[in-house]
Amino acid sequence: DAMVIQNPRYQVTQFGKPVTLSCSQTLNHNVMYWYQQKSSQAPKLLFHYYDKDFNNEADTPDNFQSRRPNTSFCFLDIRSPGLGDAAMYLCATRIGAGGGKGTQYFGPGTRLTVL
Amino acid sequence: AQSVTQLGSHVSVSEGALVLLRCNYSSSVPPYLFWYVQYPNQGLQLLLKYTSAATLVKGINGFEAEFKKSETSFHLTKPSAHMSDAAEYFCAVSENTGFQKLVFGTGTRLLVSP
Repeated sequence: DAMVIQNPRYQVTQFGKPVTLSCSQTLNHNVMYWYQQKSSQAPKLLFHYYDKDFNNEADTPDNFQSRRPNTSFCFLDIRSPGLGDAAMYLCATRIGAGGGKGTQYFGPGTRLTVL
Repeated sequence: AQSVTQLGSHVSVSEGALVLLRCNYSSSVPPYLFWYVQYPNQGLQLLLKYTSAATLVKGINGFEAEFKKSETSFHLTKPSAHMSDAAEYFCAVSENTGFQKLVFGTGTRLLVSP
């Protein structure tokens, strides 16, 4: 089945130690998104790619970076995780060029714990 | 700017009772509207969406929602709750042009008692 895959599902890191989260998709969608979701809150958009074009949200901290080496893969790098970065990180995709009518498809998420 | 308001952070129903989760939106352009469900430690799963076709939208798991432009509402209903419906539900709005970013409501946790 075509889908959005996130690895790992659970990640534990130490305060200040860089960490990378991975997202892959078999949907061949143009757009990939990264969201941060803290406990009992709605997902908060960090950034997105439309093909190779990167779009950063204005309030996304510089500590968060992203890479999209090809259509299928997108990575979230947290350069120096703080305790406040502990959250669920969600990847989502959307077909571009007006198709799909805005529908985003989400992966299962990666739960990040910072010790 | 678009926004979504979900009334009630928690809704409790008995198994077999009607489920009604409320969502009101604000948008300066015709919107796309979505309901997503999230189970613990899972991603968001699309329940249903409104994209300017029929105003009564049927989704998965017996859920449906009605788009009412005059009331700027998109409430989610299910005639008979099941224990497996217990989850967090998010309403979201997207513009039908541009980046089509999703703006989420704050979510409603549905509790189902036997």
